[in-house]
Amino acid sequence: SQQGEEDPQALSIQEGENATMNCSYKTSINNLQWYRQNSGRGLVHLILIRSNEREKHSGRLRVTLDTSKKSSSLLITASRAADTASYFCATDALYSGNTPLVFGKGTRLSVIA
Amino acid sequence: NAGVTQTPKFQVLKTGQSMTLQCAQDMNHEYMSWYRQDPGMGLRLIHYSVGAGITDQGEVPNGYNVSRSTTEDFPLRLLSAAPSQTSVYFCASSYPSKNEQFFGPGTRLTVL
Repeated sequence: SQQGEEDPQALSIQEGENATMNCSYKTSINNLQWYRQNSGRGLVHLILIRSNEREKHSGRLRVTLDTSKKSSSLLITASRAADTASYFCATDALYSGNTPLVFGKGTRLSVIA
Repeated sequence: NAGVTQTPKFQVLKTGQSMTLQCAQDMNHEYMSWYRQDPGMGLRLIHYSVGAGITDQGEVPNGYNVSRSTTEDFPLRLLSAAPSQTSVYFCASSYPSKNEQFFGPGTRLTVL
């Protein structure tokens, strides 16, 4: 069962614009991670934010976490055509023991040059 | 480091055939897992392992077997392939279990 759900399912923007995608989840978490998948490739880890953190930055990426709303957002600033990919959130549920991360269905981002 | 490798990259099977998807990692990761990815379904967990000799079922384990005899290798066996198993299969590893997952390039499987 999906723990995280990304929104929107698809997003199309012009190069240079900012892209924001959201992830909502159902149960309390230890951490939340964002991954990128280029077409036909495996997923690549972008950033991990822990439940006691509210915001993290990595280059042009900014991730926020609101545990009261059980949601996270990924902002990509000054987007480039190379950012075209699918983006997934994955959650480590609290008290889940060794059970692996649960991935959402992803947001497909298209950046038009 | 080669990271996580998967073979084959592509495979076509007939219904009822069996095969093994190979996964290997050279990062000494204890934690390995198998996912399948279908259009509109995201990634669904098939089986996972927290170390050599230890495996457990995920969300969609039916029709698949795994074993973990070494830290490096985690093969996925399809016992009797069905068209519903047409999918892209990804292997992932990490150390420790809930931190950054390293994914292989995937195996695209078609069952006719």
